[in-house]
Amino acid sequence: QKEVEQNSGPLSVPEGAIASLNCTYSDRGSQSFFWYRQYSGKSPELIMSIYSNGDKEDGRFTAQLNKASQYVSLLIRDSQPSDSATYLCAVKRGSARQLTFGSGTQLTVLP
Amino acid sequence: GAVVSQHPSWVICKSGTSVKIECRSLDFQATTMFWYRQFPKQSLMLMATSNEGSKATYEQGVEKDKFLINHASLTLSTLTVTSAHPEDSSFYICSAAVQGAGNTIYFGEGSWLTVV
Repeated sequence: QKEVEQNSGPLSVPEGAIASLNCTYSDRGSQSFFWYRQYSGKSPELIMSIYSNGDKEDGRFTAQLNKASQYVSLLIRDSQPSDSATYLCAVKRGSARQLTFGSGTQLTVLP
Repeated sequence: GAVVSQHPSWVICKSGTSVKIECRSLDFQATTMFWYRQFPKQSLMLMATSNEGSKATYEQGVEKDKFLINHASLTLSTLTVTSAHPEDSSFYICSAAVQGAGNTIYFGEGSWLTVV
């Protein structure tokens, strides 16, 4: 079992729709959770971080965390073609400094 | 957000030569930096953790004598790929943790290495 699992996709949604990206993790000691967006040929950029159970909203993005189910998700509302990218889920244990990444989900938003 | 800068953005080198990639934290001090490698359509693979003033910690399967890491200051870490071969061609990315705020990790722009 991989430490951080994501559906590789590709996930296609029409412009204006809600894109839902999911991630599960195996280490119950994980305390910090991150979503990164990576455009082709570029390095990842941080979109959201979440540390507590529940929802966290930032603009069109909402991160959801359920530690009991070891599940974290990212919702993108009003999806735009510019959101087309690979989305990486990453988790970190409390005092650790390094991230463990999932393999990423490729999202395509169709105009 | 915090800025991490990498240089060069891309480099082509001949097989058997060495190439150095720099990673700088521009507006914060980074006692720890991380080096990743990413092959096309694959996820990031952690190669090593670079610690300021001490030896780097390498992940299993990464040759420390081939991928030399130096972290001589709080704002600079370097990765040197020695005796490069075509199979070393990849996207190399560094990152650094900002202390506090959950130790959020920011990435450099990445460096494309092509060995011919």
